[in-house]
Amino acid sequence: NAGVMQNPRHLVRRRGQEARLRCSPMKGHSHVYWYRQLPEEGLKFMVYLQKENIIDESGMPKERFSAEFPKEGPSILRIQQVVRGDSAAYFCASSPQTGVTDTQYFGPGTRLTVL
Amino acid sequence: AQSVTQLDSQVPVFEEAPVELRCNYSSSVSVYLFWYVQYPNQGLQLLLKYLSGSTLVKGINGFEAEFNKSQTSFHLRKPSVHISDTAEYFCAVSDREAAGNKLTFGGGTRVLVKP
Repeated sequence: NAGVMQNPRHLVRRRGQEARLRCSPMKGHSHVYWYRQLPEEGLKFMVYLQKENIIDESGMPKERFSAEFPKEGPSILRIQQVVRGDSAAYFCASSPQTGVTDTQYFGPGTRLTVL
Repeated sequence: AQSVTQLDSQVPVFEEAPVELRCNYSSSVSVYLFWYVQYPNQGLQLLLKYLSGSTLVKGINGFEAEFNKSQTSFHLRKPSVHISDTAEYFCAVSDREAAGNKLTFGGGTRVLVKP
């Protein structure tokens, strides 16, 4: 059973460009979480999605950031008009559908660098 | 809302010596507690979790943690470390009553095991 897949692993963008980060959850997992890790800091929750629904986006910046988890395909975290402060590691985690105590399984992360 | 404080940002320790990583949390609701490990350039891996029952929790790789409700602490211990335990360790909590299982992380503790 493959783990959580994220791509690309590294992404370089210039200020003002768009960044698209993809996350494929583990097989059978229908819950996806996105976290951001700024340099020298812990991870901060951004958004929690189930298939075709955003359940909790309390950690998402109000502007430029959006997330989706379509019926088919990976979850996408989209950052429009990137700025230097968006440089960070973005981690996706997935869990099965059975309950709130389920373990979250993390992907290897996408490291975004904004020039 | 919850917050997690990891009191030590870095812990150097000699191989085969014991190690304790401290974690305190603050929350207005009941929480679940977790410890994750992050090896360089990788995602997070669950070491152990406390959901209910015995306050002493045993995890993978010889780690254990003790939940102390009165002191709102969840310290992680290992009696004898290996070089391979060099990594960053994150304590996290989640709200028992919330939809989903979003995690609130501490700032992390870097463990450097010296030969």
